[in-house]
Amino acid sequence: GAVVSQHPSWVICKSGTSVKIECRSLDFQATTMFWYRQFPKQSLMLMATSNEGSKATYEQGVEKDKFLINHASLTLSTLTVTSAHPEDSSFYICRTEGGFFGQGTRLTVV
Amino acid sequence: KQEVTQIPAALSVPEGENLVLNCSFTDSAIYNLQWFRQDPGKGLTSLLLIQSSQREQTSGRLNASLDKSSGRSTLYIAASQPGDSATYLCAVIDFGGSARQLTFGSGTQLTVLP
Repeated sequence: GAVVSQHPSWVICKSGTSVKIECRSLDFQATTMFWYRQFPKQSLMLMATSNEGSKATYEQGVEKDKFLINHASLTLSTLTVTSAHPEDSSFYICRTEGGFFGQGTRLTVV
Repeated sequence: KQEVTQIPAALSVPEGENLVLNCSFTDSAIYNLQWFRQDPGKGLTSLLLIQSSQREQTSGRLNASLDKSSGRSTLYIAASQPGDSATYLCAVIDFGGSARQLTFGSGTQLTVLP
């Protein structure tokens, strides 16, 4: 079974709204979570690294005020896309330091 | 900055054919290289992981090779089946910077025709 549970698997939202994506580690603690984004026909690009109890580290070009990451516990990391726009439509996926991936979230902003 | 390239971007083969997917990387100072399978709209499934000290790994019909000096890896799929249809991604972990960050290639979309 999956060791990292990511929800939702897909979401459609209106432009200007916020969407929260959760990644929950099952049966183990994840002190670090990597968040990736994948646009159609492109590779996965690292967006940010979250660490439990501290601020996330964002990759160059990723707006930290737009993509809010919270890693408040050892089993849960969340990514919130604030004021989403159609260009934020993408596939978002998390990965633990141990190499386990979530199932991914397909976000469509209309 | 590490760059990972996969060729071809798409491949269509008849069932039963043996095939090779290619991956190249620009910085040979890697910690390991990993091949993944991605099904549409789904997460990633790890297929094979090759440590920097290894030259190949095998799992069932899959064989992955690594040539660090030339910055290349290949994924060999024997006797392909329609169920092998997916996007195959290779990714490297570098020694430099965070050793646990993956740099992905853009993938090869494989279609195996019945």
